[in-house]
Amino acid sequence: GAGVSQSPSNKVTEKGKDVELRCDPISGHTALYWYRQSLGQGLEFLIYFQGNSAPDKSGLPSDRFSAERTGGSVSTLTIQRTQQEDSAVYLCASSLGQLLAKNIQYFGAGTRLSVL
Amino acid sequence: SQQGEEDPQALSIQEGENATMNCSYKTSINNLQWYRQNSGRGLVHLILIRSNEREKHSGRLRVTLDTSKKSSSLLITASRAADTASYFCATALNFNKFYFGSGTKLNVKP
Repeated sequence: GAGVSQSPSNKVTEKGKDVELRCDPISGHTALYWYRQSLGQGLEFLIYFQGNSAPDKSGLPSDRFSAERTGGSVSTLTIQRTQQEDSAVYLCASSLGQLLAKNIQYFGAGTRLSVL
Repeated sequence: SQQGEEDPQALSIQEGENATMNCSYKTSINNLQWYRQNSGRGLVHLILIRSNEREKHSGRLRVTLDTSKKSSSLLITASRAADTASYFCATALNFNKFYFGSGTKLNVKP
């Protein structure tokens, strides 16, 4: 596709429910990132995928958060037993790879998650 | 934390004026990038400066990097109303983990 696509754009859920957020990166991009942005704040790193390497999960805030990337392309971020503090915009980005010149990130428009 | 912090948090100027935003960080970096975020949208990459570079230009943008002070500045010259957005610096120790600051919210009044 022309850019990074995220779905849904908005998600409202009840506390305790599970949610899945989807990211479709730019074709050919081997690196994929998930970030969380609370209202008026900066981006909080969650997880990073690079090719077939084991993902860097060091930013996931709790074991309720998990992510996978199937076939080196589409990624799904899953939040189990959602809490109100999970409410935020979840941003996905992709890049060509690790080399410096290819390290520029292209962002999707994000999924705004509201936990009631 | 290596997180970059932007200063000021908010900046309001008239169209045509220059806007300067600063970013400070705590540890050694490989490169530093500046991104723009329009309200309700994702981030857009503006410019990347390597740790061995001191200054870089792109159109109306000028970025400086002072690794001894662990700081960077972004200058937007001859600002336009369309420059209204939040601006973030992102620091990278290696190639796979980026730290974003909380941003500078720029308002350019027509």
